[in-house]
Amino acid sequence: DTGVSQNPRHKITKRGQNVTFRCDPISEHNRLYWYRQTLGQGPEFLTYFQNEAQLEKSRLLSDRFSAERPKGSFSTLEIQRTEQGDSAMYLCASSLVGAKNIQYFGAGTRLSVL
Amino acid sequence: QQQVKQSPQSLIVQKGGISIINCAYENTAFDYFPWYQQFPGKGPALLIAIRPDVSEKKEGRFTISFNKSAKQFSLHIMDSQPGDSATYFCAASRDNNDMRFGAGTRLTVKP
Repeated sequence: DTGVSQNPRHKITKRGQNVTFRCDPISEHNRLYWYRQTLGQGPEFLTYFQNEAQLEKSRLLSDRFSAERPKGSFSTLEIQRTEQGDSAMYLCASSLVGAKNIQYFGAGTRLSVL
Repeated sequence: QQQVKQSPQSLIVQKGGISIINCAYENTAFDYFPWYQQFPGKGPALLIAIRPDVSEKKEGRFTISFNKSAKQFSLHIMDSQPGDSATYFCAASRDNNDMRFGAGTRLTVKP
């Protein structure tokens, strides 16, 4: 399968713990995006990378959130000191600039903070 | 933060009928308007998209109508099928970067 891959698919954690999610984009895609989706809502943009450079961050991305894309391939999203309000689906998407820049989404990581 | 308003929240249509979902946006800098389809447990998948230089785009049973002056666009699904039952999201962005999504419409097509 050459689509966007996200791991883990589900994560249950206790409040105050740190969690890290991984996204493997479609190979050759130079842009990678992170979104958060809560139940009954549309995805909310968090941040995006072009290659290894983080080009934009939403105000939704508090200091407890950090995203990296060290080699311009896979990306990680870390949430420190998780809160119950962080419970959501975290979606990753990738695109190729110049090829209409269509964003292809992964299936997401569902985070539950107890 | 909500820059794209979508209606209705839910829609029930008989098989063979027309499903219509509407969206309105605020930011006139937006230049890319996609529609995404999402099934339970899956990520959103691009269905069809339009740029503001055209007023309509059709792909198979799916049509986007775009009204730039009213800052509105809509998705029409002709001959709706039970397999179309899903949640549909409109979105808007500038150069397809930080996309702003509507809240979604849950479509149910009854056989």
